Amino acid sequence: DVKVTQSSRYLVKRTGEKVFLECVQDMDHENMFWYRQDPGLGLRLIYFSYDVKMKEKGDIPEGYSVSREKKERFSLILESASTNQTSMYLCASSLGQGLQPQHFGDGTRLSIL
Amino acid sequence: AQSVTQPDIHITVSEGASLELRCNYSYGATPYLFWYVQSPGQGLQLLLKYFSGDTLVQGIKGFEAEFKRSQSSFNLRKPSVHWSDAAEYFCAVGAPVGFQKLVFGTGTRLLVSP
Repeated sequence: DVKVTQSSRYLVKRTGEKVFLECVQDMDHENMFWYRQDPGLGLRLIYFSYDVKMKEKGDIPEGYSVSREKKERFSLILESASTNQTSMYLCASSLGQGLQPQHFGDGTRLSIL
Repeated sequence: AQSVTQPDIHITVSEGASLELRCNYSYGATPYLFWYVQSPGQGLQLLLKYFSGDTLVQGIKGFEAEFKRSQSSFNLRKPSVHWSDAAEYFCAVGAPVGFQKLVFGTGTRLLVSP
């Protein structure tokens, strides 16, 4: 069965910390995505990547960066965590040219204190 | 730019009853349309998608959706709801040209009563 795995289900960090969220997929997909999900706002795209070392900004990239050194792994980095980054973070992947995520991880619920 | 509206935040349906979840989109041409489901504590799962052709699309878990161009709608339906269908449902729209990213609706939470 296909799998997108996020390294943590729950994470608690402090304001100002550098935070890493890791995502691994085992389907050899070219495209990977990071979304954040907030009540009443749906899913918003932070960054996506369509190939190794390639990245593109989504709708809300401010305060975040990403890294894709290997095809199967896509990392989201909060350079200096702030309380307004408390959220559910979802990683996804897909095959092919379109930017429609096919498979999602179970999410990381991140709390910034 | 495309946008999508799910007018119902919550819907409660009795088990065994039929279901229709509403989705309206805004886009200048016919977009790509999607429905995803998110069970509690899990990520999203793709239920079905519409790219072109037959306007009635069949998906997984017994769901279907109908694209109506005149109404700019892509409503999700199921003839008989099961308790395991309780979840949050997201409609999404994407432009059919180029390398365009999806825009998601705000979701509809489905509650199933016994």
